[in-house]
Amino acid sequence: DAGVIQSPRHEVTEMGQEVTLRCKPISGHDYLFWYRQTMMRGLELLIYFNNNVPIDDSGMPEDRFSAKMPNASFSTLKIQPSEPRDSAVYFCASSLGGQRTQYFGPGTRLLVL
Amino acid sequence: SQQGEEDPQALSIQEGENATMNCSYKTSINNLQWYRQNSGRGLVHLILIRSNEREKHSGRLRVTLDTSKKSSSLLITASRAADTASYFCATDASSNYKLTFGKGTLLTVNP
Repeated sequence: DAGVIQSPRHEVTEMGQEVTLRCKPISGHDYLFWYRQTMMRGLELLIYFNNNVPIDDSGMPEDRFSAKMPNASFSTLKIQPSEPRDSAVYFCASSLGGQRTQYFGPGTRLLVL
Repeated sequence: SQQGEEDPQALSIQEGENATMNCSYKTSINNLQWYRQNSGRGLVHLILIRSNEREKHSGRLRVTLDTSKKSSSLLITASRAADTASYFCATDASSNYKLTFGKGTLLTVNP
């Protein structure tokens, strides 16, 4: 199995630009999670989906952040407009309902100048 | 706020020694999990211990859970340089599959 796939692996952009992060979960997994990791705040859950439906987006920082999951094999996290404080590593993880273990992708390292 | 808090924040040992990391949490849990993160990589699941379990082993890993003290420990025996990584505890305290992670313990194993 290829594991969770994220793209791009690195993104450098200027403040005000739109950023789109992509995730392909493990085939057959029905839960998908987006996390943000920073030195100051650690690993924070932003939003998660079950069967492509957003279940809890209480961790999304503000309206500049949005996430979609149009089908079982693809999800996006969009930041528009981006700000320097959005610089972080963004992880996508998936899991199979009932197993509680999450499988993480390699992350996208975002730098907003 | 973080549900799990690891202690110590950083630990440096020599190869062959044992490493112990602790995790404290605040609310009742369904289970507690430990993950490892190598520098620049994603988190990797190591072990899960359920709330009705007290101890669990997996290879060189030993996890204990004390629900009365709301704490867990991860012991890595006979450490290797390849064990150098950050270790996170994650608590599962609800029915909705959300995990809450601590800020991790950075373990350095010197060859």
